[in-house]
Amino acid sequence: NAGVTQTPKFRVLKTGQSMTLLCAQDMNHEYMYWYRQDPGMGLRLIHYSVGEGTTAKGEVPDGYNVSRLKKQNFLLGLESAAPSQTSVYFCASRSGGLYYEQYFGPGTRLTVT
Amino acid sequence: KQEVTQIPAALSVPEGENLVLNCSFTDSAIYNLQWFRQDPGKGLTSLLLIQSSQREQTSGRLNASLDKSSGRSTLYIAASQPGDSATYLCAVAGGTSYGKLTFGQGTILTVHP
Repeated sequence: NAGVTQTPKFRVLKTGQSMTLLCAQDMNHEYMYWYRQDPGMGLRLIHYSVGEGTTAKGEVPDGYNVSRLKKQNFLLGLESAAPSQTSVYFCASRSGGLYYEQYFGPGTRLTVT
Repeated sequence: KQEVTQIPAALSVPEGENLVLNCSFTDSAIYNLQWFRQDPGKGLTSLLLIQSSQREQTSGRLNASLDKSSGRSTLYIAASQPGDSATYLCAVAGGTSYGKLTFGQGTILTVHP
């Protein structure tokens, strides 16, 4: 049972390049989330999904797109990277319902130059 | 908009001390509150989840309390050890049933031998 995994662990992009971050969970969780963590800003929610084929915007969605084609995977895309998107990105998942814990992946450290 | 504040921002204690970390939130309409631990360069590890109807939860040397009406939670760590050194994050889930978390900025704890 690997829990929540994220690919890649590190990435450096040039401004304007695109990339996709992959999150995978093997706990059969319904809900999945993407957060970014920045010094002085804490963790902020980018997008989330409450089930296969569904996505919704979080607190800071601009510049990002997501897809949940399979229940176990949640993809975060950057179409045209900007230096302001330099951050550590965390994926999380949990079971449906009100009272379940969120489980986090190890994070992806992204630098945009 | 929910805001979560953690006090103190940093704490340094000698090994063996009992200590208290504080978390306050502005909107008492929450479903649950979760405490996490984050080691440098790592992901978040869930420590305790308190449901909105509960007053406290315990796990080993950790005890978390919740006073929803006053918007406060505390994390009590007994007999601290150097291995407890990490950043401790408080997060609340509320507003909708989708479990979106709003995080505090964290308390950086250092336990020295």
